[in-house]
Amino acid sequence: QVQLQESGPGLVKPSETLSLTCAVSGYSISSGYYWGWIRQPPGKGLEFIGSINYSGSTCYSPSLRSRVTISVDTSKDQFSLKLSSVTAADTAVYYCARLYGGRGFFDYWGQGTLVTVS
Amino acid sequence: QSALTQPASVSGSPGQSITISCTGTSSDVGSYNLVSWYQQHPGKAPKLMIYEVTKRPSGVSNRFSGSKSGNTASLTISGLQAEDEGDYYCCSYAGNIVVFGGGTKLTVL
Repeated sequence: QVQLQESGPGLVKPSETLSLTCAVSGYSISSGYYWGWIRQPPGKGLEFIGSINYSGSTCYSPSLRSRVTISVDTSKDQFSLKLSSVTAADTAVYYCARLYGGRGFFDYWGQGTLVTVS
Repeated sequence: QSALTQPASVSGSPGQSITISCTGTSSDVGSYNLVSWYQQHPGKAPKLMIYEVTKRPSGVSNRFSGSKSGNTASLTISGLQAEDEGDYYCCSYAGNIVVFGGGTKLTVL
């Protein structure tokens, strides 16, 4: 069974960089698929942030592209998110998920982690 | 890339059927048969209910079905049950990225 687990600081100061890691178990990232980040501000809807595959090929949301970096470490079966110059508007639950690349759906999700910018 | 448009809320009584619409553009919903739907209960991660417009993952009830016409996709839930109450999000492939709908709150009366 594929499992994903987000980790990282729950509180980030304005103007600093938000950093999260997603650990994957039950599946080797090197075997394929894309791996994505999605966020959900409190009481609001889901927003796609970006995705990456095992070779490091990335796709970013146009609205966040200038501030986002997603990287992958296949040796540890994990991938990471960095979001720079954060403001209160970046406060959200951040999810990592497995993305069926080219078919556009997420079949496995992490439980999510709340990051507050304050 | 703008969010897909969903009604803010829908409701229905147990046993009834409801349909949630999801309207996009010719750049996303209209161009690809790659619409997915997610169910989210409070405090939980989203769960994939429908992918590629009409397909159900293993373990998802056949009471859930999807369709698409032009730039609008739809999720239909038949035989409503109390456990179906929650938020529903559509999502469309849009050429290397995906775009979500704003979400619809389903209330089972």
